[in-house]
Amino acid sequence: TQLLEQSPQFLSIQEGENLTVYCNSSSVFSSLQWYRQEPGEGPVLLVTVVTGGEVKKLKRLTFQFGDARKDSSLHITAAQPGDTGLYLCAAAGATNKLIFGTGTLLAVQP
Amino acid sequence: NAGVTQTPKFRVLKTGQSMTLLCAQDMNHEYMYWYRQDPGMGLRLIHYSVGEGTTAKGEVPDGYNVSRLKKQNFLLGLESAAPSQTSVYFCASSYVTSGDTQYFGPGTRLTVL
Repeated sequence: TQLLEQSPQFLSIQEGENLTVYCNSSSVFSSLQWYRQEPGEGPVLLVTVVTGGEVKKLKRLTFQFGDARKDSSLHITAAQPGDTGLYLCAAAGATNKLIFGTGTLLAVQP
Repeated sequence: NAGVTQTPKFRVLKTGQSMTLLCAQDMNHEYMYWYRQDPGMGLRLIHYSVGEGTTAKGEVPDGYNVSRLKKQNFLLGLESAAPSQTSVYFCASSYVTSGDTQYFGPGTRLTVL
């Protein structure tokens, strides 16, 4: 069974702080996605990374795919209250179905 | 475009009752999925469909059935609800493969007493 472990599970920070969320696995994936889910809504795709070592930036969010395509990180610079939500990584495995991580719940206090 | 819609938004059932959750998408996507989301468990795939008239089991299919009679609709049925099926259910769709962007509905919160 392919598993995606995310850390930390919960994160509460003050506005303006930086943070990093990790997504790790022992399996190799062809691509990895990051979604954000706000309360009462479904997840929304933020980014897809497909190449080992790839770095993508989305305003204050920086996403990195590990060289071996087994892990990924999401770094947020100068977090804002609007960044609050559940962050989920998801990877396409051998069966070509998406496997979701356990999620990181982020709360940014004003 | 409405994207992916789900009905109902909330439902309370008694153990043993049955119900059907409806998912509709207007993006002409081939793939559709049903997930359940439980605290600390992320999203787990129940069933999915790669096209009209086809369905397949996901990670946690027991106790659920699905049908995809029309390309735009994907139905999830619970024949005899159990308290363990209390969860938030999400439908999603994607254009082609599962590795493509998945578009999610707003979810259905189901409580089984």
